[in-house]
Amino acid sequence: GAGVSQSPRYKVTKRGQDVTLRCDPISSHATLYWYQQALGQGPEFLTYFNYEAQPDKSGLPSDRFSAERPEGSISTLTIQRTEQRDSAMYRCASSSFLGETQYFGPGTRLLVL
Amino acid sequence: LAKTTQPISMDSYEGQEVNITCSHNNIATNDYITWYQQFPSQGPRFIIQGYKTKVTNEVASLFIPADRKSSTLSLPRVSLSDTAVYYCLVGDPWDYKLSFGAGTTVTVRA
Repeated sequence: GAGVSQSPRYKVTKRGQDVTLRCDPISSHATLYWYQQALGQGPEFLTYFNYEAQPDKSGLPSDRFSAERPEGSISTLTIQRTEQRDSAMYRCASSSFLGETQYFGPGTRLLVL
Repeated sequence: LAKTTQPISMDSYEGQEVNITCSHNNIATNDYITWYQQFPSQGPRFIIQGYKTKVTNEVASLFIPADRKSSTLSLPRVSLSDTAVYYCLVGDPWDYKLSFGAGTTVTVRA
């Protein structure tokens, strides 16, 4: 596609529910990244994929967070048993290859009540 | 990653030049300096990157002194649409873990 897209743009959920966020990267891009952005702060790295491989999960806050990219294209970020502290903007980015310029999507605003 | 310090906010008026200075005293030999711009409701966008001296593109200029312990992003003749958060990042250009910090909120007024 022309740019990185994410869905939904907004998600409101109740504490304890599971949520899944979707990222559709630029079509030719091999590498996909997930970031978490708190209000008033810059994005913080969560994890990345090189095609379908996920070499680095070091930024995931807990084992409630997981991500997939099974066919090396679209990716999902799942948060199980959501907590209020999970409320944030979740941003996806992609780059042609690892280390190249990252292009960010519009993000999904998650609110956990 | 080298720690950076930049002002929290800056105000300007249309047509003025805006200069944002970023301090990075412990920058490593291999580190580059990269600036991102983030408009409200959008993700960050790469605007410029440099190693030393001066880099200029269609959006901005980046000035880096010889000791590389600071850098200055210069936005010429800003308009209202330049209102955004500007992030200074320092690190290996191939490092995929971008570390943004809080950035500088630039507000341009008419």
